[in-house]
Amino acid sequence: GQQLNQSPQSMFIQEGEDVSMNCTSSSIFNTWLWYKQEPGEGPVLLIALYKAGELTSNGRLTAQFGITRKDSFLNISASIPSDVGIYFCAGRHTSGTYKYIFGTGTRLKVLA
Amino acid sequence: SQTIHQWPATLVQPVGSPLSLECTVEGTSNPNLYWYRQAAGRGLQLLFYSVGIGQISSEVPQNLSASRPQDRQFILSSKKLLLSDSGFYLCAWFWGNYGYTFGSGTRLTVV
Repeated sequence: GQQLNQSPQSMFIQEGEDVSMNCTSSSIFNTWLWYKQEPGEGPVLLIALYKAGELTSNGRLTAQFGITRKDSFLNISASIPSDVGIYFCAGRHTSGTYKYIFGTGTRLKVLA
Repeated sequence: SQTIHQWPATLVQPVGSPLSLECTVEGTSNPNLYWYRQAAGRGLQLLFYSVGIGQISSEVPQNLSASRPQDRQFILSSKKLLLSDSGFYLCAWFWGNYGYTFGSGTRLTVV
């Protein structure tokens, strides 16, 4: 099935550093979601975005809905060891459709 | 509040054996339910979704099938497992603009 391009694929960072990742699509979305998955668990919703240009925060996490509506970005400030996990973006083309397309995931490892 | 239950948490099955994974939701009626599979280190692949009792949409041709016998129950099955069926299976409940609430997953290892 179709998947969104998400980068980087994986990253090791030092505790306290800021993290950036992004997700791109060849088509326009009207909703972007960001999820975090910890080992052995299902993904959990972090942030939802509904308008082009929208910037939304959840604690140390900030996500943006790209102006072109073909991309989205997630930033984590001052990373801590519990930020470890896989981060997925997900997008939906139009409201009323029953499914989201998921990104390939960014695996984050934080070095204390 | 709405909750989603998925079991078993882990399963080791021999090649050629049948499979049945169950998912149930509480606190809502007529939910849209989904089965995803995640291969090791990979993204989420949509397998099936259902918008109501008896209604199943299949996303990819495969060795698996799904059934929706009750409003809040979604079952993933196989008659004969293949090695390639190994993976992490996630049931999810769809709630529109907020995306999905996922179950805790079943790790299936086919040996």
